[in-house]
Amino acid sequence: DTGVSQDPRHKITKRGQNVTFRCDPISEHNRLYWYRQTLGQGPEFLTYFQNEAQLEKSRLLSDRFSAERPKGSFSTLEIQRTEQGDSAMYLCASSLGMGGDVLDEQFFGPGTRLTVL
Amino acid sequence: AQKITQTQPGMFVQEKEAVTLDCTYDTSDQSYGLFWYKQPSSGEMIFLIYQGSYDEQNATEGRYSLNFQKARKSANLVISASQLGDSAMYFCAMREGGGGADGLTFGKGTHLIIQP
Repeated sequence: DTGVSQDPRHKITKRGQNVTFRCDPISEHNRLYWYRQTLGQGPEFLTYFQNEAQLEKSRLLSDRFSAERPKGSFSTLEIQRTEQGDSAMYLCASSLGMGGDVLDEQFFGPGTRLTVL
Repeated sequence: AQKITQTQPGMFVQEKEAVTLDCTYDTSDQSYGLFWYKQPSSGEMIFLIYQGSYDEQNATEGRYSLNFQKARKSANLVISASQLGDSAMYFCAMREGGGGADGLTFGKGTHLIIQP
């Protein structure tokens, strides 16, 4: 399977715990994006990477959220001290990363569904 | 103000009929892209079609076409000859080229149900 993969697909945690999600992009893709989707809403952009550089992180929801892409391949999204309001689907997407091309198509993974009890 | 507005929360359509899903957008950028994604109940976002702001012809991909009216800032999705498998959430999204964040901005979606 050469699509975007995410792990785990489902995560149930207790409030206050830390969680980490992993995303493996399509192999030749330079850009990687994280989105959050709450029930009944469209995805909300959080952050993105061009190779290993995080080029936008002002949209991260709070300082409890952080993301890394250490070698420009897979990425992790960590949420510290989870709250019930963090319950959502977390989507990862990747693209070739054609600089300045607004039509640089993003391919999405299946998502990680987080439930905070 | 909402950057992407989808005014139809839900639609019921008879199988084999054509369906139009509405999308209006708001941007001051000259260069931008408009996208439509399908999200079945399984949750994965499936890319359908896109249109660049400088494209003069409407985009088409199989049964999907994008009715782009730049002056009205609308980018409606038209699905011809609808099928039962078209039942899903449909999201309109925009990517602006003004040097800001490169993420997509999505609307709230339209839940399309195709009836036999």
